[in-house]
Formats: sequence, structure tokens, C-alpha cells
Amino acid sequence: EPEVTQTPSHQVTQMGQEVILRCVPISNHLYFYWYRQILGQKVEFLVSFYNNEISEKSEIFDDQFSVERPDGSNFTLKIRSTKLEDSAMYFCAAQRDRQETQYFGPGTRLLVL
Amino acid sequence: GENVEQHPSTLSVQEGDSAVIKCTYSDSASNYFPWYKQELGKRPQLIIDIRSNVGEKKDQRIAVTLNKTAKHFSLHITETQPEDSAVYFCAASVQGGSEKLVFGKGTKLTVNP
Repeated sequence: EPEVTQTPSHQVTQMGQEVILRCVPISNHLYFYWYRQILGQKVEFLVSFYNNEISEKSEIFDDQFSVERPDGSNFTLKIRSTKLEDSAMYFCAAQRDRQETQYFGPGTRLLVL
Repeated sequence: GENVEQHPSTLSVQEGDSAVIKCTYSDSASNYFPWYKQELGKRPQLIIDIRSNVGEKKDQRIAVTLNKTAKHFSLHITETQPEDSAVYFCAASVQGGSEKLVFGKGTKLTVNP
């Protein structure tokens, strides 16, 4: 299975702080996604990214969230002013093209105190 | 928007028995239905997927069936083994700016030796 990597694996932060989660997607994949999974719950879509811009976002993805691909390889999710309810596992996924499989990274476990 | 219902939420079987997990979806435009296996603290891993132009797909002990008319699809695991124990998620793609996945709530499968 193609490898998507994410850093850090764990992040603990204080409420109100900013965090940046990083993903290194598979090189020839065109679509990138961020999903989150609150402990014990289902995986939820946050945002998709294609051709260096957001292609779709969910209701969860409000103004405190942003995504970018600063150097053409890494794909980042920034959460400004974190809240307690942002505590979750955040997964990056990559898709070579539409109609293709989405491969998930190992996730970043974010804990907001 | 798309809604995916998954049943049962928990399933316990004896080793060697079969396990069946069922999902229904609401958006008739959905055309891609993956199944992911997630072990505790790990990433969702694709185990099998099916597209809407196919009614059934099999890979060794795992099979998926799709009924587009009724908008439901099922995962079948035969000859279950203890290592099949995990949480299984079904998902349906939603066509839009990307192919985001909408997940079911998951089924915790326990295979008892």
C-alpha cells in the first residue's frame, strides 16, 4: 500500500494555542484530504485540496482551520486558537485521481488541554 | 447531504464463523464504496472496495456486495480469525469538488478463539 506519512504522531497543546499538523502525501497523488476522528466516533471529512486550492470543505472546517501546501510536497492543516473539542485524531489521505483509492496516513493524535 | 448508516455497531463471532456488516447510503449519485479496517490507535486501512458498475467483488475471505437500487452494500468475512478483530467502517463517496468519503459509525468485530 502506498505510504502517506504524518507528523507529529502526538501533539498536546493548551487551549487557545495554534497547532500545525503536517502530511507528506504520495508524490504522484493529486487529491489530498483531511479527516478527523473524535475518540470512539466515526471518521469525518474536513477538507479536500486539489491543484493548490481547497476543492471542498465541511461545516466543521470553519475560520479557525486552514490548509496549505507551502513547498509543493508537505500538506499542512493549521488550527488557530484550539478548543477542547478539537481533541481528536487527524488523518491525512491522498488519492491519485478521482475514482481511485484514498490512502490514509497514520494520523496525529491532538489533545487540547 | 449523504448519510451512511452502518449495522450492527458491535458483532461477536466464533473463530471460523462468517461475519456480515451492512450499510445503507442516501445519495444515489454515490458510486464508490470502500471498506476500511481500523485497529486500535491505527490508521484506517482499505480492505476492499466496490464501484457502482459492479455488484459483487471478492478477495480471498472478504467480499462486498452492492445493491444500487436499494442503496445498500455489505461486507462479508468468511472463516473469521482472531486477527480479524477490529473496527470496520464502510464509506460512500460524494461527488463534488473532490470525492470526499462519508463514513458509517463503525462496527466493532470481535472474533473469539
